[in-house]
Parts: sequence; C-alpha cells; structure tokens
Amino acid sequence: ETGVTQSPTHLIKTRGQQVTLRCSSQSGHNTVSWYQQALGQGPQFIFQYYREEENGRGNFPPRFSGLQFPNYSSELNVNALELDDSALYLCASSFVGSSYNEQFFGPGTRLTVL
Amino acid sequence: GESVGLHLPTLSVQEGDNSIINCAYSNSASDYFIWYKQESGKGPQFIIDIRSNMDKRQGQRVTVLLNKTVKHLSLQIAATQPGDSAVYFCAGRNSGNTPLVFGKGTRLSVIA
Repeated sequence: ETGVTQSPTHLIKTRGQQVTLRCSSQSGHNTVSWYQQALGQGPQFIFQYYREEENGRGNFPPRFSGLQFPNYSSELNVNALELDDSALYLCASSFVGSSYNEQFFGPGTRLTVL
Repeated sequence: GESVGLHLPTLSVQEGDNSIINCAYSNSASDYFIWYKQESGKGPQFIIDIRSNMDKRQGQRVTVLLNKTVKHLSLQIAATQPGDSAVYFCAGRNSGNTPLVFGKGTRLSVIA
C-alpha cells in the first residue's frame, strides 16, 4: 500500500450532474496529480497541484477543476458530467524536491455516468 | 510531446519463466521512465524507474533496460510467478516535475 487514499471507491452519477472526488496524499508528499483512466487504456494526466495551485494541466476542458488544501490533500471536481467521463480517476502524490519525483498512486475512484 | 507505447497488448508466460515487456517512446528529451504494475481494481503500483543517464537498473526480480539510441525500454521479470499477473505500464516524462505520459499497457498472464 502506498499511503495514498481516495474516496469514494465507486460513484454513479447521471449526465449533467457534478461530482467531487477526494484524495489524501502520502505523508511527507507535497504534490498531487490527477489522472483519468478509461477502460483498457493507460492513465491520462488531468492536472497537478503544488502549494495549493494548479501546476500543469493536460488536455481536459475547464469543467474539470481541482483544489489542494494546506494539508496537501486534494479534490477533483467535474461539472456537467458526460457519458465519456466514466472512468477510473486516480490521484498520485509525490514530493517536489526529491531527485526522482516518484509518483505513488491511490486505488482510484470508479465513476460511472449514466 | 511524449508518446509512449507498448509493443504487445498481451503476454502469456509459464510460471518460472522470465518475462520481457517492451516499450517504445518518441520524445528524445524524455529523461525519466517508470514501470507500473496494475492489478484489477487497484491503482498503478510503482515497480522500478530509470533515468536517462543509465542504461540498466535492477531491482528485486526485475530489471529495466533503456536504449536511448532506439528509444526503447524493457522490463524483465525473472522467475515469473502467478502474482505477477497484471497489466504493466511504462511511463515517461521530460525533466523536472512534468506529467507522466503512460502507454496503453501490456497484460501479463502467468500460466501455472
């Protein structure tokens, strides 16, 4: 186990709704990255948070937004859900400043949009 | 940008044999690569990493080889066990804290 936790484990929403996913980073880590993993695909980078600010973003629309809190935990918010948003959402924590910046993943939140 | 891909989507090996999973990348500026193992219903688990100033790195039963000339890396698993059955991803990135770019994954099945 990595020490990165995510909640909830599973979630079912309908199109147009909004969702908030949560992530607690591994102790000592100061950076959280969020990824979307569609079935049968590799994780796709959504964005990264460092020092409570977005620090890099992938090719995702603005309805994907996030927050990072002083304790380095993070939220991913998705507005106006679409069917294609159904995926496993992964967060990964790391420590900026280490020589390798290894990212450790949580177990993910499985989102189903109906 | 970075494009990372895997040569085979599935790989079946006999228990006790060695496994080799291959990965190609496109961005010659990539300087850090990681192999992850993902079991069903779980997040990716870090296996081993390698920086571009190395061509080989060994861990417990695993070895990663990096060939920068042909932009190729491989993961070798010695004495493959049933618990090694999973999807394996390679991921790469440029220097600094840039995002990881993942390949699609190879599903390794171990035949007892």
